[in-house]
Amino acid sequence: NAGVTQTPKFQVLKTGQSMTLQCAQDMNHEYMSWYRQDPGMGLRLIHYSVGAGITDQGEVPNGYNVSRSTTEDFPLRLLSAAPSQTSVYFCASSTLLEQFFGPGTRLTVL
Amino acid sequence: AQTVTQSQPEMSVQEAETVTLSCTYDTSENNYYLFWYKQPPSRQMILVIRQEAYKQQNATENRFSVNFQKAAKSFSLKISDSQLGDTAMYFCAFMKYNAGNMLTFGGGTRLMVKP
Repeated sequence: NAGVTQTPKFQVLKTGQSMTLQCAQDMNHEYMSWYRQDPGMGLRLIHYSVGAGITDQGEVPNGYNVSRSTTEDFPLRLLSAAPSQTSVYFCASSTLLEQFFGPGTRLTVL
Repeated sequence: AQTVTQSQPEMSVQEAETVTLSCTYDTSENNYYLFWYKQPPSRQMILVIRQEAYKQQNATENRFSVNFQKAAKSFSLKISDSQLGDTAMYFCAFMKYNAGNMLTFGGGTRLMVKP
């Protein structure tokens, strides 16, 4: 039981490049979400999903896309990376009472 | 929309002593959950304690306890017998009941436990 896994752990991009952050969970949770954490701040919700095929926007969705084709996977796509997207990204899956976070991906956009 | 405020950016405490971290929130909801998360230097988010708003009794987990004041919208975390391993960022978080499990976080408090 690996819990929530994220790949890669670190990534450096150039402005304008696109990439996908991977997130997978093996706990059969319906709820999954993506957050970003900027220095000195708490986590902010980017997108979330309440089940396969269902996604919605969070607090800071601009510049990101998500899809949920399976219960296990919830990838986050950066369409055209910008320096403002430099951050640490956390994926989480949850039951009704508890969120389980992945280890995070540190992304730097030059 | 909900907001969560942690007014203490940094705190320190001597090992074995007690420290209290503050959190206030603003919401028009009546049913919700409140959480404290710990983030050590490894950056892993670890759930410390959870409080259901409909429960009047304050939650406790070993050395960690909360003081939940619903009318005042206050949710403080008390750490007793502080240990060096408690050194971390602590985040207070709010979640509406039955609303997709979305968390709203405060800005965090950096806690340093000194030997």
